[in-house]
Amino acid sequence: AQSVTQPDIHITVSEGASLELRCNYSYGATPYLFWYVQSPGQGLQLLLKYFSGDTLVQGIKGFEAEFKRSQSSFNLRKPSVHWSDAAEYFCAVGAGTYKYIFGTGTRLKVLA
Amino acid sequence: GAVVSQHPSRVICKSGTSVKIECRSLDFQATTMFWYRQFPKQSLMLMATSNEGSKATYEQGVEKDKFLINHASLTLSTLTVTSAHPEDSSFYICSASRQGADQPQHFGDGTRLSIL
Repeated sequence: AQSVTQPDIHITVSEGASLELRCNYSYGATPYLFWYVQSPGQGLQLLLKYFSGDTLVQGIKGFEAEFKRSQSSFNLRKPSVHWSDAAEYFCAVGAGTYKYIFGTGTRLKVLA
Repeated sequence: GAVVSQHPSRVICKSGTSVKIECRSLDFQATTMFWYRQFPKQSLMLMATSNEGSKATYEQGVEKDKFLINHASLTLSTLTVTSAHPEDSSFYICSASRQGADQPQHFGDGTRLSIL
């Protein structure tokens, strides 16, 4: 069955520290992978996407993610977190017919 | 580019009222639009997928007669919650994508629906 797992429900980091949000997927074919960010009461903004090619993808706001097929992972990273990065982060897999499977989300808290 | 506008952002109405939510792709043609529902502190639940000019495809457990979806043009889809009740209160989010499985979904800012 197709699924997306974000093991960490909450993560707290200090401003300026590095960040890694985990995402594991289960999908039979080569996946399309996405990371979105959601601020409270708002929609989702696309951070980055992976379709093929270079497994390290760069996104907006200084985020990057690395696709590791052997580990079925697509972890999101940022070298130095800013207070404005506090939000909910969703990993998603393109499941064919244009539909997404979303993870349950990771809520990021940033300490000043 | 790829801006999706959703309106209204917030609705408060009485039980039994029907509510229409609009989703517009402002700078691209959206072959496919999606409607999601999000409960507090939870992930997005796909309700239905709509393609321009055809009937929407509803996910299992979503009542077609309760949640009417129309996708009459390549830039507009509407979700009508008919005879809304308090249990329909939720955050509804639409998304739109260009044609192609490799095209990402672009999301609106959501609609907070509160039924009294």
